Amino acid sequence: RKEVEQDPGPFNVPEGATVAFNCTYSNSASQSFFWYRQDCRKEPKLLMSVYSSGNEDGRFTAQLNRASQYISLLIRDSKLSDSATYLCAVNMGGDDMRFGAGTRLTVKP
Amino acid sequence: NAGVTQTPKFRVLKTGQSMTLLCAQDMNHEYMYWYRQDPGMGLRLIHYSVGEGTTAKGEVPDGYNVSRLKKQNFLLGLESAAPSQTSVYFCASSYTGLAGVSTDTQYFGPGTRLTVL
Repeated sequence: RKEVEQDPGPFNVPEGATVAFNCTYSNSASQSFFWYRQDCRKEPKLLMSVYSSGNEDGRFTAQLNRASQYISLLIRDSKLSDSATYLCAVNMGGDDMRFGAGTRLTVKP
Repeated sequence: NAGVTQTPKFRVLKTGQSMTLLCAQDMNHEYMYWYRQDPGMGLRLIHYSVGEGTTAKGEVPDGYNVSRLKKQNFLLGLESAAPSQTSVYFCASSYTGLAGVSTDTQYFGPGTRLTVL
């Protein structure tokens, strides 16, 4: 089993839709969790950190479920500009950061 | 600030050739990382450094060497390139938080696309 797993998608949704991604992790002792966005042929950029209590940034909501060992990202009112690959990242302990393979999202008019 | 820069942007090597990828950051970050990204595999950590003069192995270190002689630079070397090393290589850096622990948020360079024939 991979340390961090994501549904690769692709997710194809119309503008205005709500879409959710999950990311599961194997190490129950993991403490830090993140969502990164990666545009085609570009570098990953931090979208948001994921806090234990959940956090929201505009149309984006991130949540952590420690009991089931997954994090989620919810995007409301999808925009064309949200089309990208979304990577989750989990600190497995110390300096060992592991990334998922990414979930590809395409928002269509 | 330029952030994290990488050179070269593209490179084609023949099997057995050597090369060095350079990563530079102007944010005074202590931590620096080298990743490779392959389709369906996500980002995999090759080596990392928690400060000038120190390096450590990541998830997939075989076939690579690194050096951190200056705080702002992190070099990745391939001594004898193999086709399996065809990939996109990303460098990243992060702050040092309290107690010398990285704050985890990583800032990535634009990547180097390497093809080994």
